[in-house]
Amino acid sequence: AQSVTQLGSHVSVSEGALVLLRCNYSSSVPPYLFWYVQYPNQGLQLLLKYTSAATLVKGINGFEAEFKKSETSFHLTKPSAHMSDAAEYFCAVSDSGNTPLVFGKGTRLSVIA
Amino acid sequence: KAGVTQTPRYLIKTRGQQVTLSCSPISGHRSVSWYQQTPGQGLQFLFEYFSETQRNKGNFPGRFSGRQFSNSRSEMNVSTLELGDSALYLCASRDRAIQEQYFGPGTRLTVT
Repeated sequence: AQSVTQLGSHVSVSEGALVLLRCNYSSSVPPYLFWYVQYPNQGLQLLLKYTSAATLVKGINGFEAEFKKSETSFHLTKPSAHMSDAAEYFCAVSDSGNTPLVFGKGTRLSVIA
Repeated sequence: KAGVTQTPRYLIKTRGQQVTLSCSPISGHRSVSWYQQTPGQGLQFLFEYFSETQRNKGNFPGRFSGRQFSNSRSEMNVSTLELGDSALYLCASRDRAIQEQYFGPGTRLTVT
């Protein structure tokens, strides 16, 4: 069975600082991995996805994530946080890209001015 | 293209009642999935429909059901509502060619 663990339910960074949100996965097959962002009272927006093409994936809004098979990780980073990045971030895994997503519990990102 | 639309956005129901939520996927997408989001359990998969057939089902009781119409619009129904059914219900439209799901804004269901 697949699973996702997001370390840290709440991360707080200063504006302009590096954002690092951690995600570790468990999968018996090569995984498809996704990061989504959710703003208050909204649905989920896809930030980026990994589908085995390249280990470093660039997404929208300056975010990127690196797939590390040896560490079973897919951490999300952004070099410089903006106030508008404050939201909840979810890591998700599926075993083929067209099967149901299994989500982590989410990490709430706060950005301090 | 218009995004995924869900109606209604907010609902308040009483225990024991039933409710129907609606989802219209992105034009051209034939796959629709439903997820339940609660503070305690997080995001959990309910079911997926593709071309009017249920393709996958999550671990929810039979009170939760769904269907898909020939125009790909989908509905989910919850019968005999319980307080624990209070949640944000999210619908996702899938582009199977590029393995991406796009979510609607959700329906916030409150059961009193």
